[in-house]
Amino acid sequence: AQSVTQLGSHVSVSEGALVLLRCNYSSSVPPYLFWYVQYPNQGLQLLLKYTTGATLVKGINGFEAEFKKSETSFHLTKPSAHMSDAAEYFCAVTSTSGTYKYIFGTGTRLKVLA
Amino acid sequence: EAGVTQFPSHSVIEKGQTVTLRCDPISGHDNLYWYRRVMGKEIKFLLHFVKESKQDESGMPNNRFLAERTGGTYSTLKVQPAELEDSGVYFCASSQDQGLVGYTFGSGTRLTVV
Repeated sequence: AQSVTQLGSHVSVSEGALVLLRCNYSSSVPPYLFWYVQYPNQGLQLLLKYTTGATLVKGINGFEAEFKKSETSFHLTKPSAHMSDAAEYFCAVTSTSGTYKYIFGTGTRLKVLA
Repeated sequence: EAGVTQFPSHSVIEKGQTVTLRCDPISGHDNLYWYRRVMGKEIKFLLHFVKESKQDESGMPNNRFLAERTGGTYSTLKVQPAELEDSGVYFCASSQDQGLVGYTFGSGTRLTVV
């Protein structure tokens, strides 16, 4: 069965510092991978996705992620954190059978310190 | 375009009562999904509609949960009778394809069973 592991349920960074949110997945076949963000009292918003092609994908708000098949990872990064990045971030992988339902990690809450 | 709308945003009910959650997807999106997040845990798939048909309901917890999608438009998720463990945030999402380019999520309904 597929699974997604997000290391660190809470991550704190200083404003201007590098953001690194970790995501590892298990899958017997190459999956499609997603990062979503949830701001307070809002729905999940798609940050970026990897389906095929270039393994470094760029998303909204300056975020990017790199698909590393050998490490089964899809870590999310941003060079310089902004206060507005404070939110909860979810990594997800599609099921490779059936209806492409998503399997989510448990989420990482990012806190940005002034 | 209007986003995915869910209501109510919050619901507090007593154990044994019935609650109905509603989701209005983006117009023209044939695919509609329900997910649930129990506090502190990952977001889990409940079911998937294609138009009015249930494509995959493998995530529905038990027969106290009933989902419908009238005429392929809005969807309802009824919990009857509610139990304490049903508490959580219920998300609805829609997409034109089967989620390979990402879903659009609603803001969720926070259900509290007391």
